[in-house]
Amino acid sequence: AQKVTQAQTEISVVEKEDVTLDCVYETRDTTYYLFWYKQPPSGELVFLIRRNSFDEQNEISGRYSWNFQKSTSSFNFTITASQVVDSAVYFCALIRDTGNQFYFGTGTSLTVIP
Amino acid sequence: DVKVTQSSRYLVKRTGEKVFLECVQDMDHENMFWYRQDPGLGLRLIYFSYDVKMKEKGDIPEGYSVSREKKERFSLILESASTNQTSMYLCASYPYSLDTGRYEQYFGPGTRLTVT
Repeated sequence: AQKVTQAQTEISVVEKEDVTLDCVYETRDTTYYLFWYKQPPSGELVFLIRRNSFDEQNEISGRYSWNFQKSTSSFNFTITASQVVDSAVYFCALIRDTGNQFYFGTGTSLTVIP
Repeated sequence: DVKVTQSSRYLVKRTGEKVFLECVQDMDHENMFWYRQDPGLGLRLIYFSYDVKMKEKGDIPEGYSVSREKKERFSLILESASTNQTSMYLCASYPYSLDTGRYEQYFGPGTRLTVT
């Protein structure tokens, strides 16, 4: 069975602080894909990144970076120098190579305090 | 730009009413999904459809049904709404690919349903 765990329910940081959102997943498949989505207060989920299980390179996009480690089944997301606009709920998700069902974590609500 | 639209952003219905939530996507995607989002529970899959007139139950299908008569439209139906169906409902679409996972899901803005 597939499972995605986001143990951090809510995080608050002061603007300009760095923050890391944790994502731990479970799957027996060797080929799978991991995603991060952002859900701002408006409600629509916005795609941030996709990673396949064979690509463990870390990725950086502006203030965002992702650390994928198969050894610990983790796909963590770091925001550097956080801003108020980063306040949102962030979801981690997994899909198997052989299916079309996405498995979502329960989300982490991030509040950036000005 | 992929566009997934949902018929209402906010909806208030009474217990026992039949409720229709409509979702339309404009990118010719084969797969469409209905999720329910509740605090602390994340997104839970209600139903999905991989083709016209085809549907599969997700994790929490009880109390819901779906209809997909046209490729671009996927409807969620609450036959007899109950207060425990008060929630945020999100629709998503996703193109077919032999390389499953190549694409991300595209989400609509959500419908916040209140059943009183």
